[in-house]
Amino acid sequence: DVKVTQSSRYLVKRTGEKVFLECVQDMDHENMFWYRQDPGLGLRLIYFSYDVKMKEKGDIPEGYSVSREKKERFSLILESASTNQTSMYLCASSFGEERTDTQYFGPGTRLTVL
Amino acid sequence: RKEVEQDPGPFNVPEGATVAFNCTYSNSASQSFFWYRQDCRKEPKLLMSVYSSGNEDGRFTAQLNRASQYISLLIRDSKLSDSATYLCVVNMGGGGFKTIFGAGTRLFVKA
Repeated sequence: DVKVTQSSRYLVKRTGEKVFLECVQDMDHENMFWYRQDPGLGLRLIYFSYDVKMKEKGDIPEGYSVSREKKERFSLILESASTNQTSMYLCASSFGEERTDTQYFGPGTRLTVL
Repeated sequence: RKEVEQDPGPFNVPEGATVAFNCTYSNSASQSFFWYRQDCRKEPKLLMSVYSSGNEDGRFTAQLNRASQYISLLIRDSKLSDSATYLCVVNMGGGGFKTIFGAGTRLFVKA
């Protein structure tokens, strides 16, 4: 079974803090993704990575950065958290060059920024 | 217009009912299609892929209509455990990467 884990299920931070969200997958997947999910908006892609040290912006990258130093680990960084970044953050991974393969999701991190 | 649109519901149906969801997509170049299921406070999980020829998995049937740019999911003999949010997913494929998730359709199956 594919396993995608995220460092925290719930997180509460203050405005202006730097926030790190970690994601690890154990299936040697090439592709990893970070999404945020908000009511009525569905999942929106923040960043994705198709290889170590490679990254591409998704639809809403502003205010976020990512790091992929090892194949199994993909980190999302909020440089200076703001209240509008309160959301559910979901990490996913997939295997394959076509980038259309099934995505496997982690359990999510519910982040609240006060 | 959203790239992928779904009726948010909720659909409230009794056990044993048949229920159908539709999802429309705006880009005719879309290449692959999926239905994901998301339980309350859980992550999305793949339910089934959707092929041009349609596909069936037990009580679930998914179909694709490229001419009208929509996909559908039919659930027969609904169970209480089918209560969840169903996400329509559309992939552009090709050289770039573009996966669009619909906002989901919520289903409640009642005893």
